[in-house]
Amino acid sequence: DTGVSQNPRHKITKRGQNVTFRCDPISEHNRLYWYRQTLGQGPEFLTYFQNEAQLEKSRLLSDRFSAERPKGSFSTLEIQRTEQGDSAMYLCASSPGTAPGANVLTFGAGSRLTVL
Amino acid sequence: QKEVEQNSGPLSVPEGAIASLNCTYSDRVSQSFFWYRQYSGKSPELIMSIYSNGDKEDGRFTAQLNKASQYVSLLIRDSQPSDSATYLCAVNTGGFKTIFGAGTRLFVKA
Repeated sequence: DTGVSQNPRHKITKRGQNVTFRCDPISEHNRLYWYRQTLGQGPEFLTYFQNEAQLEKSRLLSDRFSAERPKGSFSTLEIQRTEQGDSAMYLCASSPGTAPGANVLTFGAGSRLTVL
Repeated sequence: QKEVEQNSGPLSVPEGAIASLNCTYSDRVSQSFFWYRQYSGKSPELIMSIYSNGDKEDGRFTAQLNKASQYVSLLIRDSQPSDSATYLCAVNTGGFKTIFGAGTRLFVKA
């Protein structure tokens, strides 16, 4: 088990471009989460998957954001028409979904987005 | 009112001292409470989880929970310079969403 893997680690893009991030969770975990973190703040919840079903999407996510988790394995987070305010660290986490530790999050290293 | 509130710090303690980190939360139905440590440029990692009122000890770390006061704390005994990091308090209301505070920066001076 190699933990939660995220790619790419860093992405620099120009305003208006589309970007996609990938997350590979711990294989035994059926819950997958996306969070966003900006400097000096804690992680902010974006969305959550139970297996392949996206069960909640935060109102922080505009229509420019979309996430998928086909087949309940890896997940992608796409941001269309990026804006400078999208610059942040995008964190993926997974959790077992069953006791013990059902909601204990294991984070990936994150994907840092810089929008110029 | 923020859902999870922490003093942003920085909290500075000398090596060997006890560091005390505090957190309050707003949702009374919260059931699970966590402390994560985040080093600069790294992602959060779990230190402690606590689910019932009282104290829970793990090595140099003790988490304390008081649901009546909606208060969670983390004590770090014999603080080391390697403990210097941001400590994030996180709360889960029993569903899938875990809400994080903004974190408290801790500096342990050698």
